[in-house]
Amino acid sequence: DAGVIQSPRHEVTEMGQEVTLRCKPISGHNSLFWYRQTMMRGLELLIYFNNNVPIDDSGMPEDRFSAKMPNASFSTLKIQPSEPRDSAVYFCASSLELAGQGAVNEQFFGPGTRLTVL
Amino acid sequence: DQQVKQNSPSLSVQEGRISILNCDYTNSMFDYFLWYKKYPAEGPTFLISISSIKDKNEDGRFTVFLNKSAKHLSLHIVPSQPGDSAVYFCAASYLWGGATNKLIFGTGTLLAVQP
Repeated sequence: DAGVIQSPRHEVTEMGQEVTLRCKPISGHNSLFWYRQTMMRGLELLIYFNNNVPIDDSGMPEDRFSAKMPNASFSTLKIQPSEPRDSAVYFCASSLELAGQGAVNEQFFGPGTRLTVL
Repeated sequence: DQQVKQNSPSLSVQEGRISILNCDYTNSMFDYFLWYKKYPAEGPTFLISISSIKDKNEDGRFTVFLNKSAKHLSLHIVPSQPGDSAVYFCAASYLWGGATNKLIFGTGTLLAVQP
């Protein structure tokens, strides 16, 4: 299994530009999470999909951020326009959520995308 | 407001000694707790977890202790090895939206194990 795949691994862009981060979850997983890691706030959940449907986007900082999951094997996180304060490492994670199990399912993380906005 | 807090940003320990990483939480509704380990340039990986019905869970050199009354958990690593050097994230969860689980992470503690 290739694990969660993220691209690009590094992105450097200028303020005002559009940035698109990509994620391929583990095959068979039905939940996908986007996180942002900063020194001050640690790992913050931005948005969470279950069966390709956005369930909770309360962590999305503002309207400049949007995320889509057009199918079970692909998701994007877009920032438009980007700002220097968006510089961080962005992680995608996936898990298999089983209905009625009443247990926390392990999330598998990708290697992250390090975003620098100049 | 940070619901999961790791107040020590870093910890240095000698090889062979015990490492103790601490985590505090504020939401009494959390009923499941996890530790993730992260090496540089990699994503976090699951290490060990504990349910709120237990106060201890052990897996090899790793033991997690939960004190619900104090809203505190700790991760003990004994003996510590240089390969344990990494950032350790504490996370808490509660059943939300049915079968789905949302993890609330702390800010992480960088552990350095000196040879």
